[in-house]
Amino acid sequence: GAGVSQTPSNKVTEKGKYVELRCDPISGHTALYWYRQSLGQGPEFLIYFQGTGAADDSGLPNDRFFAVRPEGSVSTLKIQRTERGDSAVYLCASSPSPGLPPYNEQFFGPGTRLTVL
Amino acid sequence: EDKVVQSPLSLVVHEGDTVTLNCSYEVTNFRSLLWYKQEKKAPTFLFMLTSSGIEKKSGRLSSILDKKELFSILNITATQTGDSAVYLCAVEDTSRPLMNRDDKIIFGKGTRLHILP
Repeated sequence: GAGVSQTPSNKVTEKGKYVELRCDPISGHTALYWYRQSLGQGPEFLIYFQGTGAADDSGLPNDRFFAVRPEGSVSTLKIQRTERGDSAVYLCASSPSPGLPPYNEQFFGPGTRLTVL
Repeated sequence: EDKVVQSPLSLVVHEGDTVTLNCSYEVTNFRSLLWYKQEKKAPTFLFMLTSSGIEKKSGRLSSILDKKELFSILNITATQTGDSAVYLCAVEDTSRPLMNRDDKIIFGKGTRLHILP
C-alpha cells in the first residue's frame, strides 16, 4: 500500500534562497512529524501536527523555518534565507490518531536531502 | 534537558555473532521507547516498549526495557549481512500526559552496525 511520500528527493539550492519541502502522509493518519537528520546524527524533532494545527513546534530552530498543513493531510516545510547549516535530510513521518494503538508508531517517508551551497 | 544516549556509536562484527545495542534515556514524562532500523533514508519501526521487564521479540531481534534504570537493549542473534544498518533508539515524551497530546519523539544518535561476511 501507499506509504509516506516526500518530494523532492533531492534539492540543491544556493545560500539565501527559499525552499519548500512536501510531505504526503499515509491516508487517514492525523499526526504528522517533521525531523531533520544531519550526517551521523539521529533525527532531530522539528514540528508535530495533529490535524491542521501545529501541536508542538518547539523543535524549529529559528523563524526561518515554518511548516503548514492546511487541510490536515499534505504538509509543507518552508525554509527562508537558507544557510549552509540547513543542509541535511528532512524526514517526514505520520502516525494514526494518538491515544489509539499502536501508540505513536511512526511511518517514515524516504526524506528529502537538502544541500545548500 | 531530555536526552537519549546510545552505545556503542559503531560496531563491527562477523556474520553469526550476537550483538547487544544499548540505549539510556532521561525524559520528563516517559511514555514509550522505540527502536528503529535505518538503512538508507527512512527509519523502519522495530519495537515499541512501554513496560519494564517484558521482552519483545521478532525473529532474531529482541528488546527489553528497564524503567527503573532508564535503559533498553536491543539484541540481534546470529547476525547476517542484511542486519548492517544504523539502529536508532527514540523515546516518547508526553509533555501533557493527561491530555494525551503534544507527544515529542526524541532520538539518539544511533548505533552504526556493520556485519562482515
